[in-house]
Amino acid sequence: DGGITQSPKYLFRKEGQNVTLSCEQNLNHDAMYWYRQDPGQGLRLIYYSQIVNDFQKGDIAEGYSVSREKKESFPLTVTSAQKNPTAFYLCASRAPGTASYEQYFGPGTRLTVT
Amino acid sequence: DAKTTQPPSMDCAEGRAANLPCNHSTISGNEYVYWYRQIHSQGPQYIIHGLKNNETNEMASLIITEDRKSSTLILPHATLRDTAVYYCIVRVITGTASKLTFGTGTRLQVTL
Repeated sequence: DGGITQSPKYLFRKEGQNVTLSCEQNLNHDAMYWYRQDPGQGLRLIYYSQIVNDFQKGDIAEGYSVSREKKESFPLTVTSAQKNPTAFYLCASRAPGTASYEQYFGPGTRLTVT
Repeated sequence: DAKTTQPPSMDCAEGRAANLPCNHSTISGNEYVYWYRQIHSQGPQYIIHGLKNNETNEMASLIITEDRKSSTLILPHATLRDTAVYYCIVRVITGTASKLTFGTGTRLQVTL
């Protein structure tokens, strides 16, 4: 089955530690995205990547870093500089072309930092 | 991107049609209307999109007014599994990987 996987589903870390969230897709999509969602809120874009070895900051990139060394993978690192890291993190990908803008989302990782 | 306005919550009886409104009065001529939904603690799911014509797929219908300032997502026979937050998004489709901006959406509760 094709899709997007995020692991783990739940992640717990101590304050001051960096943590890396995994996102893998086997849909052969070029573009990938990371969003953050806080309780009762919509999604906010952290970073996105249109192609391997290229990525751009979204609306709330401070305290986060990404890499895109492979088409299938777009890991997100939540650094200790992120002031409020506890949130639900969603990864998405999009097929090439502009006929549609459908994004496919993974199941999400719920990060809790104490 | 144009701003959208949606009611925060709606109820619908199971088996009845759910009509979810969205206002996008500042929409531009090249902006599409997209709908996604998010079931609790899952990733959002694409439902449908359109430019100016009404659209229908296996999940829903999208009705866009002639002046394009508002639209309605219709779930023809709502089930309990349709309980979710529904997001209306207006976006230009370009050649670049531009972003979707999700607001707070409408929380649809389908009841027996």
